[in-house]
Amino acid sequence: QLVLTQSPSASASLGASVKLTCTLSSGHSTYAIAWHQQQPEKGPRYLMRLNSDGSHIKGDGIPDRFSGSSSGAERYLIISSLQSEDGADYYCQTWAPGIRVFGGGTKLTVL
Amino acid sequence: QVLLQESGPGLVKPSETLSLTCTVSGYSISSGYYWGWIRQPPGKGLEWIGDIYHNGNTYYNPSLKSRVTMSVDTSKNQFSLKLSSVTAADTAVYYCARDGLSGSYYVDYWGQGTLVTVSS
Repeated sequence: QLVLTQSPSASASLGASVKLTCTLSSGHSTYAIAWHQQQPEKGPRYLMRLNSDGSHIKGDGIPDRFSGSSSGAERYLIISSLQSEDGADYYCQTWAPGIRVFGGGTKLTVL
Repeated sequence: QVLLQESGPGLVKPSETLSLTCTVSGYSISSGYYWGWIRQPPGKGLEWIGDIYHNGNTYYNPSLKSRVTMSVDTSKNQFSLKLSSVTAADTAVYYCARDGLSGSYYVDYWGQGTLVTVSS
């Protein structure tokens, strides 16, 4: 079964960097994912598609501070030079024929 | 820029059918891509409901499949969702989205979302 696992919460200081993790279920380690950001009281926004080799395609207007990398079944979203507006929920998403799956989301607090 | 806008009643009675429409601008539905619906119950995460292609081909979440119907109107550049026999558990913000093509099915454009409350 295709499942994405995310830690419920993370925190980091203003100006620092943070790495959020999305883990693919067993047998799906080669799958690509997408990252989405949802700021408080707003709808989600597409950040990037992230492939198993770490290559990624960012959405329109996404700052260079946002990047991605991959290792095995883990997919990472790296945010550098954290700003207050980066405090948000971050969701990963993947797909297979006939199905789309979201992770449970990680709530990032910027201290 | 691709823009999506949901529309429909904000209040639906239990056991009735929820109906929403998504109007797309900046891109022709007929040009390709799957178009989807995702929902988010208050305080919870995202749940995929289903996708539709411009030729009417659909994929539905197995957990909702028996109650979901999606359709597309290329002349109006719109697609729609119907969810039957709703209960309070269907109360959520409903988002429409552009959901990929050619084997890569991820959302790259989202609507702003519309809250649907199921209550008598």
